Amino acid sequence: DGGITQSPKYLFRKEGQNVTLSCEQNLNHDAMYWYRQDPGQGLRLIYYSQIVNDFQKGDIAEGYSVSREKKESFPLTVTSAQKNPTAFYLCASKKTETNTEAFFGQGTRLTVV
Amino acid sequence: RKEVEQDPGPFNVPEGATVAFNCTYSNSASQSFFWYRQDCRKEPKLLMSVYSSGNEDGRFTAQLNRASQYISLLIRDSKLSDSATYLCAVNGGGGYNKLIFGAGTRLAVHP
Repeated sequence: DGGITQSPKYLFRKEGQNVTLSCEQNLNHDAMYWYRQDPGQGLRLIYYSQIVNDFQKGDIAEGYSVSREKKESFPLTVTSAQKNPTAFYLCASKKTETNTEAFFGQGTRLTVV
Repeated sequence: RKEVEQDPGPFNVPEGATVAFNCTYSNSASQSFFWYRQDCRKEPKLLMSVYSSGNEDGRFTAQLNRASQYISLLIRDSKLSDSATYLCAVNGGGGYNKLIFGAGTRLAVHP
């Protein structure tokens, strides 16, 4: 089945460690996104990519890094510079046309202790 | 000012009520508009796209007002199963394919 997969679903890390969240899609979408969601809050854009080897900062990129070496994959690294990394992280993908819907993965809940 | 702003919630309504949500956006260059539904601890899923002429899908009606830069969602005859958070999303403003979401409005429908 086509879809977008995030792994793992739950992730625990010690403070000060970098951690990489996986996002893979087989929908042949060019655009991919990473969002952060805190309890009771909306989605805040971290990074987005419109094509392989290209990505742009979103509204809260500090403390995060991404790569887009393959069309199917858009991993997010939460670095030790991110001051409050505990959150729900959502990855999405869509076709390039702006009027097309974005599809989301099931999310990764990151807890830093 | 946030790029996309929504009515603060929560909205607590009885079954059968009509409820309306509004969402404003700041970038007049925005091209596409959407309403997503998010259930507790789940990923958002598209409820409906919003077209300039307005569109309806059963009990749900979406409207776009480009002059005033807002979109709206009307839910008629609310059901218990409509309880969720509703997120508006705006695409194309501030960067091609930059997809920005509002903070969401929580709806609780009670018997």
